[in-house]
Amino acid sequence: GESVGLHLPTLSVQEGDNSIINCAYSNSASDYFIWYKQESGKGPQFIIDIRSNMDKRQGQRVTVLLNKTVKHLSLQIAATQPGDSAVYFCAAPTAGNMLTFGGGTRLMVKP
Amino acid sequence: EAGVAQSPRYKIIEKRQSVAFWCNPISGHATLYWYQQILGQGPKLLIQFQNNGVVDDSQLPKDRFSAERLKGVDSTLKIQPAKLEDSAVYLCASSLDSTYGYTFGSGTRLTVV
Repeated sequence: GESVGLHLPTLSVQEGDNSIINCAYSNSASDYFIWYKQESGKGPQFIIDIRSNMDKRQGQRVTVLLNKTVKHLSLQIAATQPGDSAVYFCAAPTAGNMLTFGGGTRLMVKP
Repeated sequence: EAGVAQSPRYKIIEKRQSVAFWCNPISGHATLYWYQQILGQGPKLLIQFQNNGVVDDSQLPKDRFSAERLKGVDSTLKIQPAKLEDSAVYLCASSLDSTYGYTFGSGTRLTVV
């Protein structure tokens, strides 16, 4: 099966700086990855996804990078804002369209 | 588009009591999931429904947990009897079909004392 894990449980950044959240996965056959954002008291919210035939995908202020060689992906947030403060999860599907989530990284943005 | 609705938002019960959670998915979403999220951890899948049928319940502790999705719309998750380690947020998610475009509800926070 798939297991995913984040490298750091907490990341603290200054407002306006760029944030990088990392995630490793175990199954080299995984072909799809998703990043979720979870604010306090809310369910996870989709941010961005990437398929294994891509190395990079950009959204609004967010970029996901995928390195299949070392089974690593990262989420980059440009010009981090206080509203970006949340827990971020990477997730990958196992058989049957079920998502396996990593442990999460809490992003704290200092004003 | 209305989101995934869950109730109650919070529940406190004593161990060995029973509890039920309710989920109303986004209209038209055939696939429904229940996840358990223990404090400080990522969500863990408990059960997946496709319409009113169970696709996978291999992670559901069936000795105390049960779930149903009558008529392929709303779903309930029940715990009987509850244990202290069941304290968690129970998240419901739905998707249009068997793809990964999940939408999560805000969850029910259960505290077992």
